[in-house]
Amino acid sequence: DAKTTQPPSMDCAEGRAANLPCNHSTISGNEYVYWYRQIHSQGPQYIIHGLKNNETNEMASLIITEDRKSSTLILPHATLRDTAVYYCIVRDNFQGAQKLVFGQGTRLTINP
Amino acid sequence: EPEVTQTPSHQVTQMGQEVILRCVPISNHLYFYWYRQILGQKVEFLVSFYNNEISEKSEIFDDQFSVERPDGSNFTLKIRSTKLEDSAMYFCASRPRRTSGGRTQYFGPGTRLTVL
Repeated sequence: DAKTTQPPSMDCAEGRAANLPCNHSTISGNEYVYWYRQIHSQGPQYIIHGLKNNETNEMASLIITEDRKSSTLILPHATLRDTAVYYCIVRDNFQGAQKLVFGQGTRLTINP
Repeated sequence: EPEVTQTPSHQVTQMGQEVILRCVPISNHLYFYWYRQILGQKVEFLVSFYNNEISEKSEIFDDQFSVERPDGSNFTLKIRSTKLEDSAMYFCASRPRRTSGGRTQYFGPGTRLTVL
């Protein structure tokens, strides 16, 4: 699976949009971009994923560049409960059991 | 909404003892996983399980570890002789074989294992 690069930490004001970047310059054609988050020591929580097109769900939006070498997770109106470590993971959905390989992620702190 | 559940939430054991961590995956899911996270470190893959057999395992998953799906609903991780370095959060995950939105894994809340 392709490697991802994320900033180690970010801050955002409550109520503002949080934009979390991820670089995956070696991504291949079959690889999806997944985002998970981990609040304190809880289990990783699935947020969103995409292949080429931008995606939106009730939690977030995912913007993938046209060349697919980077993406941005957007939390449109961040709340204090969005404080967590956010992981960007690239994974081939068509090979094997598809384990997830977690990096260090981005520690997002939402400030009141 | 269906969830992955894990028991116990916290397990304390003496070094050398056997422990069994239990997971109930989401009911229609077919792939099952164990991950662990040592305090302050990354989440690490241990093993994946499909069709009643291990499909992939990491270097961490040595002979001291085993997994089982004993009754069609539970998925267990056994550590035969625990070591101090096995102290960690252990997360179970499951996913369906195929979904319209990809093959998303859903995680349980974890079991904190403390080896004394």
